[in-house]
Amino acid sequence: GNSVTQMEGPVTLSEEAFLTINCTYTATGYPSLFWYVQYPGEGLQLLLKATKADDKGSNKGFEATYRKETTSFHLEKGSVQVSDSAVYFCALSASWQGAQKLVFGQGTRLTINP
Amino acid sequence: GAVVSQHPSWVICKSGTSVKIECRSLDFQATTMFWYRQFPKQSLMLMATSNEGSKATYEQGVEKDKFLINHASLTLSTLTVTSAHPEDSSFYICSARGWEQSNTGELFFGEGSRLTVL
Repeated sequence: GNSVTQMEGPVTLSEEAFLTINCTYTATGYPSLFWYVQYPGEGLQLLLKATKADDKGSNKGFEATYRKETTSFHLEKGSVQVSDSAVYFCALSASWQGAQKLVFGQGTRLTINP
Repeated sequence: GAVVSQHPSWVICKSGTSVKIECRSLDFQATTMFWYRQFPKQSLMLMATSNEGSKATYEQGVEKDKFLINHASLTLSTLTVTSAHPEDSSFYICSARGWEQSNTGELFFGEGSRLTVL
């Protein structure tokens, strides 16, 4: 089946630290991969995506590379800010029951201290 | 990006009553809407998929008679929790996509609705 496993949180870092949030997946076929972010009091919003192997998604200083050989899509940022504090969800897009749907990991809560 | 709005953002009700949650796409036509349930410190669990004008498709284990989903227009879907009980207390999230996102899997999410059943 299709599933996503994320690094368990919570993760607490100091400002300007390097961030990695691990994400691995299991899927049939070739899914698209996503990172969504949920800021406090807001809905999930797309952070970045990659649609095929070796693609790199990037946005707001965050990056993730679609690694088919390791079935991974780890999220990285070189220097985090307090405003990056949020819950991050890794997800894959898979098709069943005739529709393209998202399967989410459990989410990783990130807190950045000044 | 596209905007999806949910209402109410939180609701408290008595056990045995029914509660309706609305999900609207404000600036695009939502051909497909999804309803998720999120438990504390857990991932989003897909409950059902609805296409405009069609009956919703429910995921395994989701009671279709308890969670009534209607998607009568391209901008509105509703989730009605019927005869709610305390175990139905949760955070319900809707998401939507238009034609352009039908093959990419990208979704636009509402802010979520927190239901507490006393």
